[in-house]
Amino acid sequence: SQKIEQNSEALNIQEGKTATLTCNYTNYSPAYLQWYRQDPGRGPVFLLLIRENEKEKRKERLKVTFDTTLKQSLFHITASQPADSATYLCAPGEYGQNFVFGPGTRLSVLP
Amino acid sequence: DAGVIQSPRHEVTEMGQEVTLRCKPISGHNSLFWYRQTMMRGLELLIYFNNNVPIDDSGMPEDRFSAKMPNASFSTLKIQPSEPRDSAVYFCASSRGTSGGITYEQYFGPGTRLTVT
Repeated sequence: SQKIEQNSEALNIQEGKTATLTCNYTNYSPAYLQWYRQDPGRGPVFLLLIRENEKEKRKERLKVTFDTTLKQSLFHITASQPADSATYLCAPGEYGQNFVFGPGTRLSVLP
Repeated sequence: DAGVIQSPRHEVTEMGQEVTLRCKPISGHNSLFWYRQTMMRGLELLIYFNNNVPIDDSGMPEDRFSAKMPNASFSTLKIQPSEPRDSAVYFCASSRGTSGGITYEQYFGPGTRLTVT
């Protein structure tokens, strides 16, 4: 069955460092992958979309990579700030299909 | 735009009662999604609509759950009868649909926190 895994439930890093979050999938051939941010008590908010023919996508301090051979997407936040603390969800989607959310990684950026 | 609007924000009810959750999607969006989020199961898709038509309801837990979208600006999710295990946060989301086989990003409402005692 299809499975989506995100590296760990929680990740703690120091302010100013680069946070790297991992999204792995099995029994799945996504044509695209989206990343969302969710703050406590709120709905997820869209951050980035990357297609299978794109190796990398950037938006300000955010960078996403998509490796269909490794069946993995990496999400990087450079120069992290305490305001970046949230849960980050990956959502791979197959062609013509709605995407499915992973379990999320809770990131804490410590001052 | 006001974004996706959900009501009520909080609902506390007793087991066996009927619960109705409401959603107003973003104007111009033609896809609407209902999700349930719990600590144990994460964010689960219950049902989604395209142009007011239910496309995939395979995530609806059982017959106690039903959803309708009578027009492009309103949808309801009903649970009858409710049970304690239905306690969760229910999100409604809308999007512009798909293009080239890729689903556009979804915009989520603030959610309804349901507690069934």
